Order: sequence, then C-alpha cells, then structure tokens
Amino acid sequence: GEDVEQSLFLSVREGDSSVINCTYTDSSSTYLYWYKQEPGAGLQLLTYIFSNMDMKQDQRLTVLLNKKDKHLSLRIADTQTGDSAIYFCAESFNTDKLIFGTGTRLQVFP
Amino acid sequence: DAGVIQSPRHEVTEMGQEVTLRCKPISGHDYLFWYRQTMMRGLELLIYFNNNVPIDDSGMPEDRFSAKMPNASFSTLKIQPSEPRDSAVYFCASNPLGVGNTIYFGEGSWLTVV
Repeated sequence: GEDVEQSLFLSVREGDSSVINCTYTDSSSTYLYWYKQEPGAGLQLLTYIFSNMDMKQDQRLTVLLNKKDKHLSLRIADTQTGDSAIYFCAESFNTDKLIFGTGTRLQVFP
Repeated sequence: DAGVIQSPRHEVTEMGQEVTLRCKPISGHDYLFWYRQTMMRGLELLIYFNNNVPIDDSGMPEDRFSAKMPNASFSTLKIQPSEPRDSAVYFCASNPLGVGNTIYFGEGSWLTVV
C-alpha cells in the first residue's frame, strides 16, 4: 500500500544543518519529492529524485535515498530563519498521483 | 504565468450550506488535482483529472463531495451539504504531463464550516 511517514516537528539553531526524514512503504515509487509549505501558502517543489538515484545535491539541499530501507532524507545546510516551514515528502508511481507524507514542521531559532 | 488560481481564498459557512470551490489551472497543463489538508490527516488527494476526465476519485470522502472539470481551464469542488468536519484547506494543483513533472499548487481555499 501507499504510506508515507514523517516526524512532525524539528527544531534547529540558525546556521546548523537540518535533516528531515521520511519513510515510505511502496518500493515501486518512481519519483520522490520534497515540497515546502510556508504559512498561509500552497506547496512549492524544492527538489525531487528519481528512484534509481542515491543522492542529489542542489545548493544548500542534499537529498539522500536509501531504497533498501525505503528512506528518504532532506538535508538543509546552514539553515536560516527563512527555512522555517512545513516540509512534505511525496512519492509518485507509474500513475499520476502524488502521495504526500504528513509533513515536518521545521522551526529555526536564532 | 499567473499560476494556479483558486477562489475563494477564505470562506466561512454554516453547516448544511452548499460550498463551491473553484480552480483555474495553469494553461496547457493536462492534469488537475484536488487535495485537502487538515492537521489530523495531513494532505489527502481527493480526485484528479487528465484532459478534463476524472481518473481517480477514490479519495473523495463521501457522496456529499463532487468535482467537475467542464473545460481545460476550470474545475469546481462542491460540498453539499457541508459539515463542520469538512473544515480544511483545499488545494488545487496542476501539472503538464503527469508523473515526473512538477506539480504546481494554488494558494488554497481555507474553508470553515460552523
């Protein structure tokens, strides 16, 4: 079945790295995504990774995918207060649906 | 491009009333999605369309919910009659070609049923 899980909260100090984790159950997913939701707004795509990749880096963002453990993570280097938001991981299959996780609320404090 | 446009942005209505949420996808996008976000259940896919045709409505909670897409530039999500447990943020999203392509979200319609 399709199930994506995340921890609900993460609190980090400004300048530190943040690591947001996600686990999924369906190994047939083709793409895995990270979305960011700022207060009162919709979701914005941050990055995505194809299921045959292990890692993707994009400026301050690093995505790691462990297919064996069905584990996806998003690392944000040098976290800033502007990074405070809810982060969703999502998976898609050979259909057109995106299944989202529950979201992790990242709080960055000075 | 103006992005995905949703209306109304906020609505407060009384239980039993009909609610209609509207969405204009990005021009040229073949896929349109309706999601619902609540604290308890997170982001749930309600229904999605491809070329105006409903493909998967298995996430629609019950018969009180219906969605239509009469043309490529307009979709509605209707709740009749509305109940307090329908209070949520309803997002419309679109993308051009399905899997592997970025899904673009609207800013959401914030519904409160009292």
